[in-house]
Amino acid sequence: GENVEQHPSTLSVQEGDSAVIKCTYSDSASNYFPWYKQELGKRPQLIIDIRSNVGEKKDQRIAVTLNKTAKHFSLHITETQPEDSAVYFCAATYNNNDMRFGAGTRLTVKP
Amino acid sequence: DAGITQSPRHKVTETGTPVTLRCHQTENHRYMYWYRQDPGHGLRLIHYSYGVKDTDKGEVSDGYSVSRSKTEDFLLTLESATSSQTSVYFCAITKGGVGTEAFFGQGTRLTVV
Repeated sequence: GENVEQHPSTLSVQEGDSAVIKCTYSDSASNYFPWYKQELGKRPQLIIDIRSNVGEKKDQRIAVTLNKTAKHFSLHITETQPEDSAVYFCAATYNNNDMRFGAGTRLTVKP
Repeated sequence: DAGITQSPRHKVTETGTPVTLRCHQTENHRYMYWYRQDPGHGLRLIHYSYGVKDTDKGEVSDGYSVSRSKTEDFLLTLESATSSQTSVYFCAITKGGVGTEAFFGQGTRLTVV
C-alpha cells in the first residue's frame, strides 16, 4: 500500500513565485528523505535530501523541511523559473531496505 | 550517470512471452535496484541486490525474477509477460545502501500487447 503520500499532484505557478510540495510518510523509523526531479523523458535525479537528525536543509533556491513528529516533509522552491518545470518525487526509507516514493507532482512554471 | 546502462531502451512483446531487461554498471557498486514507474504510483521497487547472488524482493515483486551473477550486471526477467507489466522500468544503483542517493539508468519502456 501507499507509505508516502504526496500533494498536490499538479501545481502551476507564475515565474518568480514560490512552489511548495508536501509529503507524509507512515514508517516512524524512516530516516532518509530525498527529493528527485524528473524532466520529460528523462531519468529521475536527486535535487536535495535530508536526514532525520536535521529539521531543514537549503541549497540555493531549494529547501526541504522535515517534521518527524508529524511525519511530514516539504520541498520549497523559491523564485521559480521555467526550467523548474518537471515532475518531482519525494521518497522515504521504509523497513531499512526499501525506498518508498510518492506518486509525484507535476510542476509547471509559466513564463 | 554513474555508469549505468539499460538495455533494451524500448521493447514491445506479446502476452505470455518471457522478457529479460539488463542493467549494466561500470563502477562496481554493490547495491542495485529495479523499479517500475507508472502514472499515479511514482516509482515502486521490484527487486534489489546487495551483492553477487544476493537479491531480495521489493514492494511489487510478483511476476518478476532477478539474477546477479556478476557485480556489473543485474537482470530483470518477466517469466510470462502480462499487460499489467506494461511500464517504464528503471535500474538504479546506490553507493551506500538504501539510505543514500540513487542514480538511475535511462529507463526501458516495455509494452506488453
